[in-house]
Amino acid sequence: SQTIHQWPATLVQPVGSPLSLECTVEGTSNPNLYWYRQAAGRGLQLLFYSVGIGQISSEVPQNLSASRPQDRQFILSSKKLLLSDSGFYLCAWSSLIQRGAEAFFGQGTRLTVV
Amino acid sequence: KNEVEQSPQNLTAQEGEFITINCSYSVGISALHWLQQHPGGGIVSLFMLSSGKKKHGRLIATINIQEKHSSLHITASHPRDSAVYICAVRLDSNYQLIWGAGTKLIIKP
Repeated sequence: SQTIHQWPATLVQPVGSPLSLECTVEGTSNPNLYWYRQAAGRGLQLLFYSVGIGQISSEVPQNLSASRPQDRQFILSSKKLLLSDSGFYLCAWSSLIQRGAEAFFGQGTRLTVV
Repeated sequence: KNEVEQSPQNLTAQEGEFITINCSYSVGISALHWLQQHPGGGIVSLFMLSSGKKKHGRLIATINIQEKHSSLHITASHPRDSAVYICAVRLDSNYQLIWGAGTKLIIKP
């Protein structure tokens, strides 16, 4: 079956420290992968999406970067966290080929930068 | 104007009431998702719809493709239903997800 794993669930990091959030997918190949962020009191905003290994599109300029080193692995990173990076981060995947196929969502990561 | 609009933004009701949350969209979609986000932040996928109606326990989701509108209903609401309910649509063109802002639901005992 198709599943998605995202970790950690919660994270508290000091300002200026690096960040690495990982998302892995099981049960499919060549998924579309997405990173979203939800700032306090706001809806989910697309940060990055990837249609293949090494292919990353950025929707919003920011202090973050994404990488896709393997087909089913999507990593969200920062070299130096800012206070404004605090929020809820969600990884998701969907199939480009299968029209109407489900999208799957990670549990999300609550990041607090202190 | 946002491509996905949810209403209401906030809803407080008494236990047992019938709850309706609405989602309207202005783009061509291949599917629509309803998700639930609890105060801790974790997200749970409730439904995926491309047509018609789905039911799971006390939750019912409907979609009208022609009117570009979906509703999420909760029957016999309970305080544990308190959460943020989010509507997300998958674009027909490139399968990206566009999210509504969410509806914060509080059910009082």
